[in-house]
Amino acid sequence: DAKTTQPPSMDCAEGRAANLPCNHSTISGNEYVYWYRQIHSQGPQYIIHGLKNNETNEMASLIITEDRKSSTLILPHATLRDTAVYYCIVRATTGTASKLTFGTGTRLQVTL
Amino acid sequence: DAGVIQSPRHEVTEMGQEVTLRCKPISGHNSLFWYRQTMMRGLELLIYFNNNVPIDDSGMPEDRFSAKMPNASFSTLKIQPSEPRDSAVYFCASSPWTENTEAFFGQGTRLTVV
Repeated sequence: DAKTTQPPSMDCAEGRAANLPCNHSTISGNEYVYWYRQIHSQGPQYIIHGLKNNETNEMASLIITEDRKSSTLILPHATLRDTAVYYCIVRATTGTASKLTFGTGTRLQVTL
Repeated sequence: DAGVIQSPRHEVTEMGQEVTLRCKPISGHNSLFWYRQTMMRGLELLIYFNNNVPIDDSGMPEDRFSAKMPNASFSTLKIQPSEPRDSAVYFCASSPWTENTEAFFGQGTRLTVV
């Protein structure tokens, strides 16, 4: 029962912005949008999360639409080290629904 | 802090043998998650604990799998008896609490059952 939909793969030229979309049309009011990435052979790494406002940190920006049915993760200046699988996850704040459930993600390939 | 520590990093065992995977969460974190990753099924949540108590084990595939958290600084995932289809990378993660915080993952244990 997938709660998010992401494209299976994307390419991005090094130095350009990578914009990774995610659809979560059934998101509930108490659910946050989380982004993780997994670089080959490593454990997933937290990137950013948000509820309804746009968020920015040292790694990325998260843009959430006003109706909260979709979001975009932005890596402002992609490098080769950003090549990874990126997971968009909706996660409730309380109860058993607060577990992190991963989908299939988007495989981002950054090229020279 | 050294992060989430998993051991062993690699394990090769024969079918039918018992396998125990270990995890030391980040100090002060009171939620712990066990995941399994395969090419076919991706990252699957097996079980998670809050304050050493199992909260949701609906992802545990069958009775051959069991997980314990005897104290806040240690957890085990046991497979008995192991089967070739259990071959996967097993990840452990911890977080300060389950709501509205990020989880930190270990480097994983690559299990091969021959």
